[in-house]
Amino acid sequence: NAGVTQTPKFRVLKTGQSMTLLCAQDMNHEYMYWYRQDPGMGLRLIHYSVGEGTTAKGEVPDGYNVSRLKKQNFLLGLESAAPSQTSVYFCASREDSRPYEQYFGPGTRLTVT
Amino acid sequence: DQQVKQNSPSLSVQEGRISILNCDYTNSMFDYFLWYKKYPAEGPTFLISISSIKDKNEDGRFTVFLNKSAKHLSLHIVPSQPGDSAVYFCAAITGGTSGTYKYIFGTGTRLKVLA
Repeated sequence: NAGVTQTPKFRVLKTGQSMTLLCAQDMNHEYMYWYRQDPGMGLRLIHYSVGEGTTAKGEVPDGYNVSRLKKQNFLLGLESAAPSQTSVYFCASREDSRPYEQYFGPGTRLTVT
Repeated sequence: DQQVKQNSPSLSVQEGRISILNCDYTNSMFDYFLWYKKYPAEGPTFLISISSIKDKNEDGRFTVFLNKSAKHLSLHIVPSQPGDSAVYFCAAITGGTSGTYKYIFGTGTRLKVLA
């Protein structure tokens, strides 16, 4: 069991460039989440999905899009990166019966210059 | 507004002693409270939870206490070990059903256990 994996681990973008972060889980979880973590702040929810083919906005969705075409994958897209999107991005998943236990990936450190 | 607050950014404790990490919240409608632990360059890992209808939950060396009248919860680690050195996030869940649950995280407390 790999758990939750994230690709890539690090990335540097120039302002205006686009990229996609990939999250994959092998635990057959229905729920998947994308968070960002910034210095001095807690994890903030960007978007989430309650099942294959569904997505919903979280607390800070502006500038991001997501897709959940397959149950095991949750993609986070930045169409036109801005320096304010410099952050560490975490993906998480959980099963329906245990809402308190999210399984997190190792994170992607993104720098936008 | 910060609904879940961890007012101590860091804490140092001697090995073998008790570590107490604190968290305050403002929303009385939270359903669960959680603690996650995070090591550098890794994602957070779930540690322990407590339902809003309980006042204590224990799992080995870790105990979480919930004081609803004070809107305060705390995590006790006894005895503290050097491997417990990490950042601890307090979090809360709100929302009516599993599909609509929202997770609110605190800013974290860095615990250092001194050998």
